[in-house]
Amino acid sequence: SQELEQSPQSLIVQEGKNLTINCTSSKTLYGLYWYKQKYGEGLIFLMMLQKGGEEKSHEKITAKLDEKKQQSSLHITASQPSHAGIYLCGADRGGATNKLIFGTGTLLAVQP
Amino acid sequence: GAGVSQSPSNKVTEKGKDVELRCDPISGHTALYWYRQSLGQGLEFLIYFQGNSAPDKSGLPSDRFSAERTGGSVSTLTIQRTQQEDSAVYLCASSLTGYSYEQYFGPGTRLTVT
Repeated sequence: SQELEQSPQSLIVQEGKNLTINCTSSKTLYGLYWYKQKYGEGLIFLMMLQKGGEEKSHEKITAKLDEKKQQSSLHITASQPSHAGIYLCGADRGGATNKLIFGTGTLLAVQP
Repeated sequence: GAGVSQSPSNKVTEKGKDVELRCDPISGHTALYWYRQSLGQGLEFLIYFQGNSAPDKSGLPSDRFSAERTGGSVSTLTIQRTQQEDSAVYLCASSLTGYSYEQYFGPGTRLTVT
């Protein structure tokens, strides 16, 4: 089973609609990272959350980490075709390495 | 500034051959990571370098995989006697240090073993 569960696995929305992607862990997270990936490209860093209850926003994307630091959500307001891609959450479980464990990803398509 | 770069972008090799993948991290970043992304396994950690410390090799899938980082900068991931299951996108990332800093990823090398 995946240590990080993302939902939904895929999402198709009309341009202008809002959407939310969730990332859930069974263990406490030391850090939660959101990345976006377009086909054939590397991962683009979006946001990093470390504190329980933390919320960060960049342009039309807002990410939150719950108080227990086991669940994060990524919310996109007024989606645009440029938001299309695969969204991945990555978790840092602590320790000296800071190696990330990734969720399975959410494929987002935005229809104009 | 320049981001993480990787070469080659695509590599097709025959089963049993050795391959070398290169990663140039962001200048000044002391931490460097290799990950592998494949359809069946998603994105998996392979190996981590931090400064002059011994690398964390806990994610390497077999002893056919090795990596080195020369002079604290460029890294090379070597896969010996490639197998078809090694086909994947190999991603390199770097961060300022190895603790709680965002990791910036390169575009990846798509490896196909025929």
